Order: sequence, then structure tokens, then C-alpha cells
Amino acid sequence: NAGVTQTPKFQVLKTGQSMTLQCAQDMNHEYMSWYRQDPGMGLRLIHYSVGAGITDQGEVPNGYNVSRSTTEDFPLRLLSAAPSQTSVYFCASSSLQGVGYNEQFFGPGTRLTVL
Amino acid sequence: SQQGEEDPQALSIQEGENATMNCSYKTSINNLQWYRQNSGRGLVHLILIRSNEREKHSGRLRVTLDTSKKSSSLLITASRAADTASYFCATAYSGAGSYQLTFGKGTKLSVIP
Repeated sequence: NAGVTQTPKFQVLKTGQSMTLQCAQDMNHEYMSWYRQDPGMGLRLIHYSVGAGITDQGEVPNGYNVSRSTTEDFPLRLLSAAPSQTSVYFCASSSLQGVGYNEQFFGPGTRLTVL
Repeated sequence: SQQGEEDPQALSIQEGENATMNCSYKTSINNLQWYRQNSGRGLVHLILIRSNEREKHSGRLRVTLDTSKKSSSLLITASRAADTASYFCATAYSGAGSYQLTFGKGTKLSVIP
């Protein structure tokens, strides 16, 4: 099992450019999520999904879009990059159990710089 | 806003000593999870404690949960240099179709050989 994979590992964008961060998991997890981590801020939830075709917003969704067409993939799109989106982005997945869910498995992260 | 808040923000101890980190949160939860992050890496899950549990052990880790005080603690016994990392608590809430795992800002632990 590869677990949770993310591409690219590093990316530099210019203000106004768009791009897609890729995330895939091979554990058949229902729940997938995207976080951003900024110095001194911990991790903040951007968007999440509880299954194919179902997505919802987290704490900081503005400027980002997601879709979930398959169980395995959960791409994050930056529509028009801004310097405030410079951050490290983590994708995570977990299984769901009733109304709760279990440990999250994290990808290695994508370090994004917006100039 | 973030739910969990860890205390202290930074902790420096000698190898062999115990390390205790605390987490406070504001609203009801389904479970509380602790994660470790080594510098520049992704997070690794350490332990999960459900809202109806009070204490849980895993190797050198001991986690307690007090839902009346909305707080949790993580104890690492007999610390090693390899335990040097940032530790995060995350509160899991699901209800009304919403699933949210909210992280605190973390405690940076340094274990001095």
C-alpha cells in the first residue's frame, strides 16, 4: 500500500495563476480532507469529503475548489493564486465508523509558494 | 476558529524524563486524537481516545480525557531524542452531516540527549 500520496512536493506560482494539487489514497477510505499549515497556526481544514460526489467546506475554503469523482482521488484547485495561499498543504484520509471516524493518514505535503 | 489549544507551546526536557502536554477544547466531541509531526514531514497518528473513555495507553504514551473540563493530556514516559517533534491534538466532531477534525497549534517538544 502506498497510503496517501501527494503531488507535486514543491510548487512556485505567480499571483493569479491556477493549479491543482493532487491527492490519492489506496486504502478505500470514505473520508478525505485537505489542510493547510502555516507557521504558528497549526493545521486548518480547507475542504473535506465523506464519499464520491460529496464535498463540504472546512474552516478556510475561500480561494479553493475540490471535487471527488472517485473514492481514491481528491484534488484541490487553486483558482487564482494569491501570496496569502503560500503554505504547506496536507491531504489526509480515514475510514468512517458510524457517526465518528478513525485515525487520519496524512500525505507528505506540498510546499506551495506564491510570488 | 481552532478548537484545540495545546499547552505548553514549547517544552524542552532531558532524555529519560517524562513529557506532559495538555490540550483544551471548547465544544462537544466524538473523539480526540494526538498526532506527531517531525520537522518538514506529514503528521503521524499516535492515539485516539473516544468521548466515553477516560484513559488510554499505547507503549510509552498515556492519554487522558476529561470531558467535564474539556481537556486532554498526553504523557510520554522515558523520553528519547527521537521523540523530538511537534505534537498536535485534534478534536473530532461529526453531526448534522458535518465531519470536522480540528487541530490545535501544537506543542514543540525537544528532548536533549
